[in-house]
Amino acid sequence: EVVLTQSPDTLSLSPGERVTLSCRASQFISRYLAWYQQKPGQAPRLLIYDASNRPTGIPARFSGSGSGTDFTLTISSLEPEDSAVYYCQLGSNWAPYAFGQGTKLEIK
Amino acid sequence: QVLLEESGPGLVQPSGTLSLTCSVSGASTTTYDWAWVRQPPGKGLEWLGSVYFSGETKYNSSLGGRVAISIDMSKNHFSLRLYSVTAADTALYYCARHYKDYFMYWGQGTRVTVSP
Repeated sequence: EVVLTQSPDTLSLSPGERVTLSCRASQFISRYLAWYQQKPGQAPRLLIYDASNRPTGIPARFSGSGSGTDFTLTISSLEPEDSAVYYCQLGSNWAPYAFGQGTKLEIK
Repeated sequence: QVLLEESGPGLVQPSGTLSLTCSVSGASTTTYDWAWVRQPPGKGLEWLGSVYFSGETKYNSSLGGRVAISIDMSKNHFSLRLYSVTAADTALYYCARHYKDYFMYWGQGTRVTVSP
């Protein structure tokens, strides 16, 4: 079973800053990884799929990279509305669709 | 526009069966793949299982065979049943539509508490 470990657990940054969140898989998963944003009281929103693809409507300041076991989500210039918990998810149907434990991002 | 709405009892007795329905509009349950995901209070996301348009189902093995997902094509909805529930099954339950092996569209979630 693949385990996804996210880091850091929490961080606090200011608007305009650049941030990189990490997700590490316990075994090789090619590029089968997604990132979600979840704000309080809301359902998760898909930000990135297949490691680096953005669905229609996701702002360009969100980008994803990585392959194999190490992945990153970058927000190029933080906006106040980016305050949320971010989850990574394994997207391969040969294994359970595991989620990482989440990274809480606070915008000061 | 794809909309999903969960419904079902908000309170379930321990050892009972949790039954939820996800009503779908803007898409056909016969065309796409669908899933259930839950989130215990203050915790992260857990995939429970998926039903594919092929009719195949897959479940999270951590649930020990207690879960079943089915589609009612005539009503354009799909359902979750979780058997032999305990307090650990208390959570916000989401239904979602797949895009490839990811979850593109989500309902707003329905809160289920397991308690006497």
